[in-house]
Amino acid sequence: GDSVVQTEGQVLPSEGDSLIVNCSYETTQYPSLFWFVQYPGEGPQLHLKAMKANDKGRNKGFEAMYRKETTSFHLEKDSVQESDSAVYFCALSELNGNKLVFGAGTILRVKS
Amino acid sequence: KAGVTQTPRYLIKTRGQQVTLSCSPISGHRSVSWYQQTPGQGLQFLFEYFSETQRNKGNFPGRFSGRQFSNSRSEMNVSTLELGDSALYLCASSPGRDPTGELFFGEGSRLTVL
Repeated sequence: GDSVVQTEGQVLPSEGDSLIVNCSYETTQYPSLFWFVQYPGEGPQLHLKAMKANDKGRNKGFEAMYRKETTSFHLEKDSVQESDSAVYFCALSELNGNKLVFGAGTILRVKS
Repeated sequence: KAGVTQTPRYLIKTRGQQVTLSCSPISGHRSVSWYQQTPGQGLQFLFEYFSETQRNKGNFPGRFSGRQFSNSRSEMNVSTLELGDSALYLCASSPGRDPTGELFFGEGSRLTVL
């Protein structure tokens, strides 16, 4: 079945550091790819998305490129802020409906 | 515009009991999905309803069931509760049937099974 792998359980950059959060996926279909962000006590919210290969999702200084050749969708930011601290989930969705497959999540704690 | 509303927010049940959780989607949204979130398994898809029809189902036992009403409100039911059912149950609404990622999650119903 489909799967999404996030290799880092937690990342601890300092404010102003660059960031890469890894996401790899496996599927036999042609999925759409997403990053969701979850703050304490809230449900996940869509952070950015890419609907097809070579699309780049962007939001609040974060970017992720849909790379079909490496089946990856890494989340990047040039300079993180303390307010970026949250849990980030990578997810894929097949063409049929709103069923999402989520990665395990990466806790981002930015040190001030 | 009101967001996704889930009730109850917190509940405690004992093994063997059953529970019903409710979700009111954003006005105008016709798709409602349910997810289970646990520290060990993360976010797992339970099922999706669109226009009162179950469109997708995840890999959960038959004890987990759901339905959607004509006003798009949805309920999920878990029967014969087990300790492992303790989780945050999240409802997400979406305008339509295409996977645009435009899922709007509620704050969840936190179920504790003792």
